[in-house]
Amino acid sequence: RKEVEQDPGPFNVPEGATVAFNCTYSNSASQSFFWYRQDCRKEPKLLMSVYSSGNEDGRFTAQLNRASQYISLLIRDSKLSDSATYLCVVLTGGGNKLTFGTGTQLKVEL
Amino acid sequence: DAGITQSPRHKVTETGTPVTLRCHQTENHRYMYWYRQDPGHGLRLIHYSYGVKDTDKGEVSDGYSVSRSKTEDFLLTLESATSSQTSVYFCAIRERAGLDSGANVLTFGAGSRLTVL
Repeated sequence: RKEVEQDPGPFNVPEGATVAFNCTYSNSASQSFFWYRQDCRKEPKLLMSVYSSGNEDGRFTAQLNRASQYISLLIRDSKLSDSATYLCVVLTGGGNKLTFGTGTQLKVEL
Repeated sequence: DAGITQSPRHKVTETGTPVTLRCHQTENHRYMYWYRQDPGHGLRLIHYSYGVKDTDKGEVSDGYSVSRSKTEDFLLTLESATSSQTSVYFCAIRERAGLDSGANVLTFGAGSRLTVL
């Protein structure tokens, strides 16, 4: 089983739709969680950290479920510019054990 | 802007030749990393550095070496490139997520696309 698993997609959604991605992790000792966004042929960029209590940044909401060992990302009112690959990142142990998921591709269409 | 520059951005080379990729940062970050990204694998850590002359291996370090002789530069060397090392290589630095955040996050350079024929 992979340490971090994501549905690769693609998720094809119309503009204005709400879409959610999940990411599961295998190590119950994992400490910190992040969502990164990666545009085609570009570097990954931090979208948001995921806090235990859940957090929201504009149209984006991140949730953590430690009992079931998954994190989620909800995007409301999707924009064409949201089209990208979303990477789930999990920190385990010391600060250098970051594990990246393979990413979920989102395509927002007119 | 974390001020990370990778060079070269694109390189095509032949099997068996040595290749060095350079990562340069301007903000005095202590931790620097080299990752590779391949379809179906996500980002995988090759080597990282926690200070000048202090480096350690990641999960896919075989065939790679690194050096950090000064804070701002972290070099990744492929002593004898193989076709399996065709990939996109990302350098990253570690920094705080924000002024009020205790979380450390990675900020990436623009990447170096290497093709080994």
